[in-house]
Amino acid sequence: EDKVVQSPLSLVVHEGDTVTLNCSYEVTNFRSLLWYKQEKKAPTFLFMLTSSGIEKKSGRLSSILDKKELFSILNITATQTGDSAVYLCAVEAGKNYGQNFVFGPGTRLSVLP
Amino acid sequence: EPEVTQTPSHQVTQMGQEVILRCVPISNHLYFYWYRQILGQKVEFLVSFYNNEISEKSEIFDDQFSVERPDGSNFTLKIRSTKLEDSAMYFCASRGGQGIVYGYTFGSGTRLTVV
Repeated sequence: EDKVVQSPLSLVVHEGDTVTLNCSYEVTNFRSLLWYKQEKKAPTFLFMLTSSGIEKKSGRLSSILDKKELFSILNITATQTGDSAVYLCAVEAGKNYGQNFVFGPGTRLSVLP
Repeated sequence: EPEVTQTPSHQVTQMGQEVILRCVPISNHLYFYWYRQILGQKVEFLVSFYNNEISEKSEIFDDQFSVERPDGSNFTLKIRSTKLEDSAMYFCASRGGQGIVYGYTFGSGTRLTVV
């Protein structure tokens, strides 16, 4: 059975801290890994990773994938209170394009002023 | 920026009633999905839809559930006889065709409360 595990499940930091969120997976026919940020409602897309070792960056956020060790990390530097959210990792797996994503449980990040 | 639109944003229904959740995916997208998230729990896949048919469904998506794309723009999820445990946030998502490398776009969700 395909599985996505995230750690930690919950994290409390102060503004300015740097955080690293982890996602590991066991799936058949890995296709891609995505990171989402979920605040009040719908998850919003952050990154899509398909190749090992290539860092994707967007402002203070960055992410990298290791397909050999089957994990990804999401880094947030100089955290702000607006970064408080649940960060979801999702892995697309399967033979056919367009199959579903398996979501991890999420990491709840709270950034205190 | 293109959006996936879901209506209603919140629906309260009595146990045993039928509900239809509506979604308008992004217009040139080809793959459509329904997910649900029970309060405080993880996002769970329900069903994917491509080329006017279900391409994959989870064990949650039993005979009570059905999906339709009745008019080429709407994508609906019907729950025939709701149960208390169907209370959740239901997200619709859509994705572009093969070769376009970006993730899903999610709708803002419909919160279904079954009483």
